[in-house]
Amino acid sequence: SQTIHQWPATLVQPVGSPLSLECTVEGTSNPNLYWYRQAAGRGLQLLFYSIGIDQISSEVPQNLSASRPQDRQFILSSKKLLLSDSGFYLCAHGEASGANVLTFGAGSRLTVL
Amino acid sequence: TQLLEQSPQFLSIQEGENLTVYCNSSSVFSSLQWYRQEPGEGPVLLVTVVTGGEVKKLKRLTFQFGDARKDSSLHITAAQPGDTGLYLCAGVFNDYKLSFGAGTTVTVRA
Repeated sequence: SQTIHQWPATLVQPVGSPLSLECTVEGTSNPNLYWYRQAAGRGLQLLFYSIGIDQISSEVPQNLSASRPQDRQFILSSKKLLLSDSGFYLCAHGEASGANVLTFGAGSRLTVL
Repeated sequence: TQLLEQSPQFLSIQEGENLTVYCNSSSVFSSLQWYRQEPGEGPVLLVTVVTGGEVKKLKRLTFQFGDARKDSSLHITAAQPGDTGLYLCAGVFNDYKLSFGAGTTVTVRA
């Protein structure tokens, strides 16, 4: 079965500090990987997606970047956090073809102070 | 820009009542998915609808995909407190990308 791990679960960081959120997937090869951000109780905004190693597509201009150094590892980073980067970040993986159903991680709650 | 419009934004009902959540778009989707999310967790897939006019039932939940594949609805019969959560619809554009609606927060009071 497929499993997706995301960490840390909760993070409180000062403005201007760096960020690294990690996501790893088990039980599948060459998955499509995604980073979403969710405002409190609202819909999901797609930030990045990747269809393979070192292949990253950015959906919105922002203060964040993503990397995929290994097939089943997806990292969300920032060099200097802004207050507006606070939010709930969700990693997800999807099927490479077909209906592209997403399986989400448990999320990372980032608070920038 | 939200390609998928969900309504209502909030819904609070008494246990045993019925409810319907709507998901509308001007775009045609190859398929549409419904997810349910509880606070502090990631969304979990409920159903995928693929064919225009398709109706799927999952116990007390009934999902419908519009004939033109632009809209969908989720109907819950005899709602229970365990149905409380954020319901999200997502339209599939291609093999890689989904567009999510803003969600409907459902609260079922005991």
